[in-house]
Amino acid sequence: DGGITQSPKYLFRKEGQNVTLSCEQNLNHDAMYWYRQDPGQGLRLIYYSQIVNDFQKGDIAEGYSVSREKKESFPLTVTSAQKNPTAFYLCASSIVPGAGETQYFGPGTRLLVL
Amino acid sequence: GEDVEQSLFLSVREGDSSVINCTYTDSSSTYLYWYKQEPGAGLQLLTYIFSNMDMKQDQRLTVLLNKKDKHLSLRIADTQTGDSAIYFCAESIRGNNRLAFGKGNQVVVIP
Repeated sequence: DGGITQSPKYLFRKEGQNVTLSCEQNLNHDAMYWYRQDPGQGLRLIYYSQIVNDFQKGDIAEGYSVSREKKESFPLTVTSAQKNPTAFYLCASSIVPGAGETQYFGPGTRLLVL
Repeated sequence: GEDVEQSLFLSVREGDSSVINCTYTDSSSTYLYWYKQEPGAGLQLLTYIFSNMDMKQDQRLTVLLNKKDKHLSLRIADTQTGDSAIYFCAESIRGNNRLAFGKGNQVVVIP
């Protein structure tokens, strides 16, 4: 059963704490993406990775970090430098990067600040 | 630059047709997409259209593309309660490895 999984479904962060959101795909896709969704604002790109061991900043990368050590995995760390982390985080992947390559999304992780 | 705009809210009676509109600014778009998001879930790809097409039909879904006005629409025929969701349009740009998303259009189907 192929797809993209994200965990956990809900995550609580204390002030000053770093937290890591997991994203795994078994679709053999090269490219992976992280988006942040706030109410009424659509999706904003945080980071994306076109290939293992390489990634690029998106539009709102400040306060976030990523790694891409394996093709299947693209974890996102929300650092203490991100002052407003409460949002719904969506991971996506596509076969290869580039225009015309459809992105497929995971179920999302909702991050809440205590 | 990339800028995708959508209206925010639409209510429709069950069985009627619903039309969701989207405008985009970048004329070098290659593909345009419609995604559906149900409450608390990720985005589900509904359909897409290549920029050299005017129309695409897929069961109850019809996508119309007006390249001159940079206007994209999604028509859902025989709208059902399961169609209640947020609908996002998105464009991909030639030479760019990203999608630009609109802010979404909330569709509420009234039984």
